[in-house]
Amino acid sequence: SQTIHQWPATLVQPVGSPLSLECTVEGTSNPNLYWYRQAAGRGLQLLFYSVGIGQISSEVPQNLSASRPQDRQFILSSKKLLLSDSGFYLCAWSSTGTNTGELFFGEGSRLTVL
Amino acid sequence: SQKIEQNSEALNIQEGKTATLTCNYTNYSPAYLQWYRQDPGRGPVFLLLIRENEKEKRKERLKVTFDTTLKQSLFHITASQPADSATYLCALPTTGGFKTIFGAGTRLFVKA
Repeated sequence: SQTIHQWPATLVQPVGSPLSLECTVEGTSNPNLYWYRQAAGRGLQLLFYSVGIGQISSEVPQNLSASRPQDRQFILSSKKLLLSDSGFYLCAWSSTGTNTGELFFGEGSRLTVL
Repeated sequence: SQKIEQNSEALNIQEGKTATLTCNYTNYSPAYLQWYRQDPGRGPVFLLLIRENEKEKRKERLKVTFDTTLKQSLFHITASQPADSATYLCALPTTGGFKTIFGAGTRLFVKA
């Protein structure tokens, strides 16, 4: 069966520090991969998505970047965090073999920037 | 631009009653619509998908309707239980299908 792992689960970072969140998927090949952010009490905002290794699409201009160095690995990064980067970050995957796009989410990473 | 609206106010109902949540969308015609459940501090979990040519879909105590004329989906939980308390998210694919956008969700509280 397919699983998705996301880490770290929680982190507190000072403003201006770097960030790296990592996500890996197991049990499937060539998944579509996504990073979403959820602010407190808000909906999910799509940040990045990837349909293949090295292929990254950015949805909103921001202080973040994403990379997909391997088929089932997706990384979210920042060189210098801002207070506004605080939030709940969710990695998700969907199968390229269906046309209905069900998303399977990781457990999330809660980032607090102080 | 494509927009999804869900009732931002929490829904409080008594155990055993039917909960009905609403999702409205504007500015496009999606091929399908999805519903997810999210518990506090957790990632959303996929529940149901309904296609544009389906009026209704059922799964156990869940029922979803999809009215493409009204651009609305209704999500029903029958015989609700306290364990059904969560936030329910409506989601739609954008044109091209690679991306999914979500509504803000409706928080449901089921009281014993």
